[in-house]
Amino acid sequence: DQQVKQNSPSLSVQEGRISILNCDYTNSMFDYFLWYKKYPAEGPTFLISISSIKDKNEDGRFTVFLNKSAKHLSLHIVPSQPGDSAVYFCAFNSGGSNYKLTFGKGTLLTVNP
Amino acid sequence: NAGVTQTPKFRILKIGQSMTLQCTQDMNHNYMYWYRQDPGMGLKLIYYSVGAGITDKGEVPNGYNVSRSTTEDFPLRLELAAPSQTSVYFCASGPGFTEAFFGQGTRLTVV
Repeated sequence: DQQVKQNSPSLSVQEGRISILNCDYTNSMFDYFLWYKKYPAEGPTFLISISSIKDKNEDGRFTVFLNKSAKHLSLHIVPSQPGDSAVYFCAFNSGGSNYKLTFGKGTLLTVNP
Repeated sequence: NAGVTQTPKFRILKIGQSMTLQCTQDMNHNYMYWYRQDPGMGLKLIYYSVGAGITDKGEVPNGYNVSRSTTEDFPLRLELAAPSQTSVYFCASGPGFTEAFFGQGTRLTVV
């Protein structure tokens, strides 16, 4: 029972263009949504988040969009840079009394110079 | 500032051996987590803790045990290692309701 789906295992983008990473979820109890970035041989690092009461959050080149009715989360990176090449995981916090992060399988983003 | 520290970084175990993966955090976070990541897969929650003395099972707890005697430390114990436990293990900590911060990971191979 996969609660979180990142349907694109990989994405290739030219430097300077927009990267769009997508995530779908099924659990309506999720109320906090996050994106993590992971380089090889390192732990995931937190990138950006959004709570369920918002539909958009920006931090520099990174913008996260939440469509609760469609249960869809996306991350936009603009402009994309070669250093953005990494695996991106969406993650969801179930809230309530016990907070547990549920992760997608990840999307490998490659930004070509 | 150290954040979340995991030891060891690499380990090779023989089938049936036991070991403890160490995790310590210096951010005074109540929540701590253990995840494993298999190739091509996301991170699966093994165990988590909402505070000292309190632990609970995650998605894939079989073959593992944890303890949380202090806020800082959350060791993961593997008893009778099996090849299916070959994975990269990540420890994380956080305040609970927002993001978690991860360690660098432990790459474990069971042969």
